[in-house]
Amino acid sequence: EIVLTQSPATLSLSPGERATLSCRASQSVSNYVAWYQQKPGQAPRLLIYDASNRATGIPARFSGSGSGTDFTLTISSLEPDDFAVYYCQQRNSWPPLTFGGGTKVEIK
Amino acid sequence: EVQVVESGGGLIQPGGALTLSCEASGFSVTRTYMSWVRQAPGKGLEWVSTLYSGGGSQYADSVKGRFTISRDKAKNTLFLQMKSLRVDDTAVYYCARHLLLSFGELDYFDYWGQGTLVTVSS
Repeated sequence: EIVLTQSPATLSLSPGERATLSCRASQSVSNYVAWYQQKPGQAPRLLIYDASNRATGIPARFSGSGSGTDFTLTISSLEPDDFAVYYCQQRNSWPPLTFGGGTKVEIK
Repeated sequence: EVQVVESGGGLIQPGGALTLSCEASGFSVTRTYMSWVRQAPGKGLEWVSTLYSGGGSQYADSVKGRFTISRDKAKNTLFLQMKSLRVDDTAVYYCARHLLLSFGELDYFDYWGQGTLVTVSS
């Protein structure tokens, strides 16, 4: 099973700042990583797929990069609506499909 | 408009059985891959099961032999039959469609329901 480790667990930032979230895989997953945003009481929303492709309707301030074992989600300038929990997920080797433990982006 | 709506959750005793439903609209559940993903209270996301358009299925080890995924074409509905439920099955269960692109499906999730809460407790 591929384990995804996200860091940091919590990121405290102010609106307008840049957020950099990390996801590390226990073995290479090529570029087969997605990122989701989840707000309290809501379902996750797909942001990025295959490491760097924005999903439909996702603003350009969200970008993804990486390959192999190290991946990054960057939010270029945080807006109030961006404070949420973010999860990465791999599809390279499954079952099982696996998710990271999440990074909470909170208002500083 | 693409939409999925789950139902069927509730409070059930350990060892009991429950069937969740996921009614889809805007697309056919028989023409794409569909999955169940769960989230225990205050925890992260855990993939549970996938049903392929061709009818094959996959299960997480934690539910294999206890859960069964299926669908009804006429009702355009996905199901998750759960038996021998355990306390650690307590979670919000989401139904999700695999990302559908012009060239086919990718094993990510682009449409999710609002979730249905299953609580296993005596």
